[in-house]
Amino acid sequence: GAVVSQHPSWVICKSGTSVKIECRSLDFQATTMFWYRQFPKQSLMLMATSNEGSKATYEQGVEKDKFLINHASLTLSTLTVTSAHPEDSSFYICSARATNYGYTFGSGTRLTVV
Amino acid sequence: AQSVTQPDIHITVSEGASLELRCNYSYGATPYLFWYVQSPGQGLQLLLKYFSGDTLVQGIKGFEAEFKRSQSSFNLRKPSVHWSDAAEYFCAVALYSSASKIIFGSGTRLSIRP
Repeated sequence: GAVVSQHPSWVICKSGTSVKIECRSLDFQATTMFWYRQFPKQSLMLMATSNEGSKATYEQGVEKDKFLINHASLTLSTLTVTSAHPEDSSFYICSARATNYGYTFGSGTRLTVV
Repeated sequence: AQSVTQPDIHITVSEGASLELRCNYSYGATPYLFWYVQSPGQGLQLLLKYFSGDTLVQGIKGFEAEFKRSQSSFNLRKPSVHWSDAAEYFCAVALYSSASKIIFGSGTRLSIRP
C-alpha cells in the first residue's frame, strides 16, 4: 500500500527560528501533496496544495511567505515555518496523492514554539 | 460554497451498541466522499471512500457508510462498537474529482461507555 512518512513527529523551537517539516511518499510517486494544520480539538484546515515542479497554491488567509512549501521531487515535499511564533504551534499533517492510491496521510508533526 | 457538516461534536455510546455518525455536504455535483479516523496525536486513517457505484460502501474495522444523494448525506455506521473505536472521526469531500483537494468536516469525537 501507499505509505507517507512525515518527519519529525514532534519539534520544539524557539520563537523567531525556522522549522522544516518533511513529507515523503515511500513507495509511490506523489503527483500532488497537501499540507494541513490542525489546532487542538479542531478539524484539519487545508493550508496549501503543491504539485511537483511548480509553485504551491495557498488557501485564502495562509501566508505564503511564512509557510514555505517546496515540492522538488515526486517523493518529497517540505513545509518550512519561517520566523515561528507561539501562535504557529499546531499539528501539521501532510497528504500525498498518487493516481492509483488516492490520498494517504502522514502521521503528523507536533510543532511547539516557545 | 462547498462545505462538509458534521452536526454532532461528541457522541458517547455503550460498547456493543450500534453507531451512526452523521455527515452532510453542500456541493452542486456528486462529490467524492471519505471517512477518516484519528486517534489522539496521530495522523489519519482512511475508513472508507465513495466515488461512484453502489451507494453502500464497506470499509475497514467493520464500518460502512451510505451515500444518499437526495439528503446530501454520507453517514457512517457500525453495528457494534468496540472500546478501541474511541477516536475522532472526520467526514471529508474531494471537490471536482478524486484528484482534487480534500475538505474536512469539523469532526465527531466518539467516546465508548464500558
